[in-house]
Amino acid sequence: DVKVTQSSRYLVKRTGEKVFLECVQDMDHENMFWYRQDPGLGLRLIYFSYDVKMKEKGDIPEGYSVSREKKERFSLILESASTNQTSMYLCASSGMKGLRTEAFFGQGTRLTVV
Amino acid sequence: SQQGEEDPQALSIQEGENATMNCSYKTSINNLQWYRQNSGRGLVHLILIRSNEREKHSGRLRVTLDTSKKSSSLLITASRAADTASYFCATDSSASKIIFGSGTRLSIRP
Repeated sequence: DVKVTQSSRYLVKRTGEKVFLECVQDMDHENMFWYRQDPGLGLRLIYFSYDVKMKEKGDIPEGYSVSREKKERFSLILESASTNQTSMYLCASSGMKGLRTEAFFGQGTRLTVV
Repeated sequence: SQQGEEDPQALSIQEGENATMNCSYKTSINNLQWYRQNSGRGLVHLILIRSNEREKHSGRLRVTLDTSKKSSSLLITASRAADTASYFCATDSSASKIIFGSGTRLSIRP
């Protein structure tokens, strides 16, 4: 079975903390994505990466950064967590750069910033 | 910005009825996909339709795509209680981004 694994299902962090959300995929996919999901807003793209060390901003990158040092791992970093970053975070990967395929999702990380 | 917008936002039907959800998008696409999400979980891919296709079937699912109107529909026939979930359309442009809409919450009444 193909798998996208997010390091935590639930996280509680304090305002101002630096937060790392980790995502690992075992499908050798080129593309990886971080989304946040909030009620009524659907999934909004934060960042995506189409190759190792390559990244592009999505629709809401402010307050976030990412790291992709290895093909299988894509990390989302909240430099200084704020309460408005309380959300469900979803990681996904997709393959075949020249022939688009579906995205595979992790189970999500529900982050609460207090 | 949201690429895909689903309509309706919420849909409640009787078990056995058909459910139809619509999606509109703004820019040109390579393909359009539909995903399902059970409460509090990740998304699961249902079906992909390429920009040069007009209709696709998979089991009880039927997807149509009208690129001239920039719209798609997902039909679930003979609905079951287990179909209760949120459904999202997603578009994939040449920029490799996959952009999702805000989703339709489908409830199947027994």
